[in-house]
Amino acid sequence: GAGVSQSPSNKVTEKGKDVELRCDPISGHTALYWYRQSLGQGLEFLIYFQGNSAPDKSGLPSDRFSAERTGGSVSTLTIQRTQQEDSAVYLCASSRILADNEQFFGPGTRLTVL
Amino acid sequence: SQQGEEDPQALSIQEGENATMNCSYKTSINNLQWYRQNSGRGLVHLILIRSNEREKHSGRLRVTLDTSKKSSSLLITASRAADTASYFCATGGDSARQLTFGSGTQLTVLP
Repeated sequence: GAGVSQSPSNKVTEKGKDVELRCDPISGHTALYWYRQSLGQGLEFLIYFQGNSAPDKSGLPSDRFSAERTGGSVSTLTIQRTQQEDSAVYLCASSRILADNEQFFGPGTRLTVL
Repeated sequence: SQQGEEDPQALSIQEGENATMNCSYKTSINNLQWYRQNSGRGLVHLILIRSNEREKHSGRLRVTLDTSKKSSSLLITASRAADTASYFCATGGDSARQLTFGSGTQLTVLP
């Protein structure tokens, strides 16, 4: 596709349930990033994948958060036993591996935990 | 913690006026980027300035970078109502590939 796509666009879940968020990066982009944005705030880095290297998980807020990237393309962010404070917009971005690191963002998934 | 801090947090101007937003950061950087976000959804890349550059232009956008003061400014000239959005600066480091975002400036351009 022409850009980064994410699904679902909106997700409402009950506290304690698990959720999966999906990201399809731009074809040919070897780097993929997940960020979280709470209402009215800036972006908080969660995790970064680059090619076949081990992901940089330094931003994951707890062990309830995990992410995979299969075949170097699609990525899934999983949140287990969701809490109300997990409510946020989850943004995915991809980039080519260049020194400038311009990132292209998807439209985000708005997660609401009731 | 946030690397960049935008100033002001909110800015309201009349159509046709210029809008200036500032960003300060704390650590050494490889580049600084400005992004725009409409309605809390995906971000759109506006412009990138490298650490060895001092000024860059793109259409109605002008970005400056002062590495000695660890600050950058984004100027939007002849603003339009469609420029209404949140604007974020983001810094890229030498080793870290992820960007570190500031908390953003909410710009409102009144018609």
